[in-house]
Amino acid sequence: EAQVTQNPRYLITVTGKKLTVTCSQNMNHEYMSWYRQDPGLGLRQIYYSMNVEVTDKGDVPEGYKVSRKEKRNFPLILESPSPNQTSLYFCASSLEASGSYEQYFGPGTRLTVT
Amino acid sequence: GQQVMQIPQYQHVQEGEDFTTYCNSSTTLSNIQWYKQRPGGHPVFLIQLVKSGEVKKQKRLTFQFGEAKKNSSLHITATQTTDVGTYFCAGRGNRDDKIIFGKGTRLHILP
Repeated sequence: EAQVTQNPRYLITVTGKKLTVTCSQNMNHEYMSWYRQDPGLGLRQIYYSMNVEVTDKGDVPEGYKVSRKEKRNFPLILESPSPNQTSLYFCASSLEASGSYEQYFGPGTRLTVT
Repeated sequence: GQQVMQIPQYQHVQEGEDFTTYCNSSTTLSNIQWYKQRPGGHPVFLIQLVKSGEVKKQKRLTFQFGEAKKNSSLHITATQTTDVGTYFCAGRGNRDDKIIFGKGTRLHILP
């Protein structure tokens, strides 16, 4: 089944404790992206990747890191989480970086930073 | 930077009434996509518009892309309870591969 998976689905952590949220897709998609969703603010792009070893900042990259060492995986790293990073995070992928292709979203990761 | 404004933020309609949500971009878009997110779920792709003035239909849903490729609308005819959710537009600019989402319109159906 074609899908985007994220882990963990729920995470409660404390300020400053490094964490990684994994994202994996099995559709051989080139383009992958991370979003955060906050009430009243919609979906905001954090980082995106057009292909392996190619990443770029979205609209709200501060406090986050990403890597794309393999085509299927695109982990989101919070080196020193803070309470303002409490949010619902979605990973998404699409077939190609150029052109126009629909994005497939993962189920989401709800992160709480205390 | 590029912004995509979406209105209204909330809409309550009686079942059977029509519903429309609008998106306006500060810059020309290469394409616009529409997504639906059910409560507790993740965004699901509905459609993509690419051409200036394009109109596409999916059963009771009609999507339009403006002539200047800076605005778009989604119209639902005769809403049903299954239409409940938040509808997002997402635009990709001409200059980079960032995707900017509107803040969404939450549709609530009154029985």
